[in-house]
Amino acid sequence: EPEVTQTPSHQVTQMGQEVILRCVPISNHLYFYWYRQILGQKVEFLVSFYNNEISEKSEIFDDQFSVERPDGSNFTLKIRSTKLEDSAMYFCASSEALRGYEQYFGPGTRLTVT
Amino acid sequence: GENVEQHPSTLSVQEGDSAVIKCTYSDSASNYFPWYKQELGKRPQLIIDIRSNVGEKKDQRIAVTLNKTAKHFSLHITETQPEDSAVYFCAPNGNQFYFGTGTSLTVIP
Repeated sequence: EPEVTQTPSHQVTQMGQEVILRCVPISNHLYFYWYRQILGQKVEFLVSFYNNEISEKSEIFDDQFSVERPDGSNFTLKIRSTKLEDSAMYFCASSEALRGYEQYFGPGTRLTVT
Repeated sequence: GENVEQHPSTLSVQEGDSAVIKCTYSDSASNYFPWYKQELGKRPQLIIDIRSNVGEKKDQRIAVTLNKTAKHFSLHITETQPEDSAVYFCAPNGNQFYFGTGTSLTVIP
């Protein structure tokens, strides 16, 4: 069964540094998402992406965040200048359509900002 | 923004008993109602979903019921087993993608 993959599984970075989290969605899916989950808390929506542009974004997704689909397979989340409070698990997900369809989650990247 | 709440936040049951988790939401545009299970350190995985034209759906020991008028839907797990222990999230699909606050279920052998 096809799966969403994410790299790296764990990223440690210093405050103020830029990080890029990578995801490979399921190949025939058209909609891609990023979520974050601070340890012990709920899953929070960051952004959805379709046809090479952002469909929706939450209040969390401010100017320090950006997303890109640099080629036909990768989907990336960039955090420009990391803060301590960016430490969290970041999940990528993909789905066949925007609403009413199952979202398939990747295994997550644990980001630790020191 | 959307307000999605789950009750209870924690639930302990004896193995073999039933568990019920309720999710209330505020976005009347929601038309897809999934439940995700998240084991410790793992990704959320869909366990059951329902669409707004159906009131109830069952899949073996798991069922979901929907009351769209009252804006809530519930997860029912019967004959619970220790491997059902996890955090469960509802994620009503409306104008945005909000997850509920989560319910930590512990099944005691």
